[in-house]
Amino acid sequence: QSALTQPASVSGSPGQSITISCTGTSSDVGGFDYVSWYQQHPGKAPKLIIYDVNKRPSGVSNRFSGSKSGNTAALTISGLQAEDEADYYCNSYTSSSTWVFGGGTKLTVL
Amino acid sequence: QVQLQESGPGLVKPSQTLSLTCTVSGDSISSGSYYWTWIRQPAGEGLEWIGRIYTSGSTIYNPSLKSRVTISLDTSNNVFSLKLTSVTAADTAVYYCARAGLTNFDSWGQGTLVTVSS
Repeated sequence: QSALTQPASVSGSPGQSITISCTGTSSDVGGFDYVSWYQQHPGKAPKLIIYDVNKRPSGVSNRFSGSKSGNTAALTISGLQAEDEADYYCNSYTSSSTWVFGGGTKLTVL
Repeated sequence: QVQLQESGPGLVKPSQTLSLTCTVSGDSISSGSYYWTWIRQPAGEGLEWIGRIYTSGSTIYNPSLKSRVTISLDTSNNVFSLKLTSVTAADTAVYYCARAGLTNFDSWGQGTLVTVSS
């Protein structure tokens, strides 16, 4: 299985909004509403921030939102804050009953 | 609140077998509500899903690692384990255990670094 495709890096200024894309195929992202997103700060374990395309776990800021169109999912962070600077990974369930991650995106808050 | 903790050797010689255990507290791995999974991350690189096991003992592995991976459950001690055979330097990574529903990984261990070197 091939990794989902994410941009290597994105950046934005405090208060702005950014969007990170995650492109797969009809066998993963496009075939299921089972896309999740994870935030990882340096030296820490990943943290679930979005699941089932657009649902937020309890305690996750509503500045984080998710969407999907066809084979591409997206994570939007609004009102950027310095603490949002981290790596972000998408993940999808697949038609082989496996899971596949994206390559990760480094978010820099300018 | 569920907690997961990885343990095992931090250094493994090439061609040998990597063995890790994940101790789960705050949830029962035999409850039937979740999958128990392993994920790894080489230094400076992305996440790679290794495989998962269900309460029944059924397993599914990443096709790229399938020939070398075994995940097992020990319900009496509420732990699950990973074995990766014939390791090379490319298997050097931080290894995470995680609890998963069908659609997401909701709880993670802190990770443990395993280095493959002679």
